[in-house]
Amino acid sequence: SQQGEEDPQALSIQEGENATMNCSYKTSINNLQWYRQNSGRGLVHLILIRSNEREKHSGRLRVTLDTSKKSSSLLITASRAADTASYFCATVPGKGGSEKLVFGKGTKLTVNP
Amino acid sequence: GAGVSQSPRYKVTKRGQDVALRCDPISGHVSLYWYRQALGQGPEFLTYFNYEAQQDKSGLPNDRFSAERPEGSISTLTIQRTEQRDSAMYRCASRAGGHPNTGELFFGEGSRLTVL
Repeated sequence: SQQGEEDPQALSIQEGENATMNCSYKTSINNLQWYRQNSGRGLVHLILIRSNEREKHSGRLRVTLDTSKKSSSLLITASRAADTASYFCATVPGKGGSEKLVFGKGTKLTVNP
Repeated sequence: GAGVSQSPRYKVTKRGQDVALRCDPISGHVSLYWYRQALGQGPEFLTYFNYEAQQDKSGLPNDRFSAERPEGSISTLTIQRTEQRDSAMYRCASRAGGHPNTGELFFGEGSRLTVL
């Protein structure tokens, strides 16, 4: 079963614009991670935000986390054609116990040159 | 090796045959995960190991699926009596370990299974 649910399912923007993707999850978490997947390739880790953090930056990426709303957002600023990919959020549901990392269904981002 | 290596990259088999998919994680990584990914979907958790111990196999769809990691390094995912619905990309990932519930996964390129 999917823990995270990304929104929107698909997003198409022009190069240079910002892209915002959202993720909602169901249970309490210790951290939330975002991954990128280029067309059929393996997933690549982008950023991890811990449950006691509200915002984190990495280059052109900005991630926010609102544990009260059980949601996170990923902002890509000044997008490039190379950012075209699917983006997934992932969490470890619950505290303690299994460390299985559960992924959402993803947002497919297309950046048009 | 430098990254997570999976083999075979492509496997075509006939319904009813058994298949074994291999994953060679990053050297020294404690945790190893198996996922299945359908086209246009996110990875679906199957099972994971810490060292040689299988910690959670709740995602394995049925008893035709099994996985092992006997020496805490290479892992094999075995599907017995394959069915057409087993066709998918099977992805392996490893994690360095350390504190629980932290740390990124490093993914391999996957094994694409087609059951005719």
